[in-house]
Amino acid sequence: GESVGLHLPTLSVQEGDNSIINCAYSNSASDYFIWYKQESGKGPQFIIDIRSNMDKRQGQRVTVLLNKTVKHLSLQIAATQPGDSAVYFCAENYGGATNKLIFGTGTLLAVQP
Amino acid sequence: NAGVTQTPKFQVLKTGQSMTLQCAQDMNHEYMSWYRQDPGMGLRLIHYSVGAGITDQGEVPNGYNVSRSTTEDFPLRLLSAAPSQTSVYFCASSYRDTKNIQYFGAGTRLSVL
Repeated sequence: GESVGLHLPTLSVQEGDNSIINCAYSNSASDYFIWYKQESGKGPQFIIDIRSNMDKRQGQRVTVLLNKTVKHLSLQIAATQPGDSAVYFCAENYGGATNKLIFGTGTLLAVQP
Repeated sequence: NAGVTQTPKFQVLKTGQSMTLQCAQDMNHEYMSWYRQDPGMGLRLIHYSVGAGITDQGEVPNGYNVSRSTTEDFPLRLLSAAPSQTSVYFCASSYRDTKNIQYFGAGTRLSVL
């Protein structure tokens, strides 16, 4: 709920602008990187993923970029809308048989009308 | 389909009490997991299961037990509640072959006094 947003990095953007949310990851051996969106009072929801052998993947209004050299992941949202206001989490899939997702701390995106 | 159902939505416990958080999914997912979410800490994996009869520890398993006797259910047991276990708990499930797309329940908000 609302308490999730406390102490989180916050990105404030104007409606219609593009948003870029960044994430640093730790495990070089992760085989997938994923973005989730969490609206207030709800569980996280899958947005998009990217395999470790790719550097860019596009979805509807979203693009994920992966830079393995510096262990950096970003989510770009085009033409940000008020409905995009949420906490965004990056996650790593450690792969193998464990199917284990490890989440980052999250970024609060606040869209100003 | 109801998706992932968590009960209860809210719970208040006294220190030392035990309880079970329930999680059920009706999507025939092999993989289920439990996370806790604390302000500024993101989602931390407690326990997970890759199928009925198989469970494993995540990042923060101490103080929690799980079992997976059926594909549908994955209860989380707090053996002796402590104030440090005050948190929002999320259950998630996914197919083994689409492991990055996890479906989350609405969460259980637990307070331990």
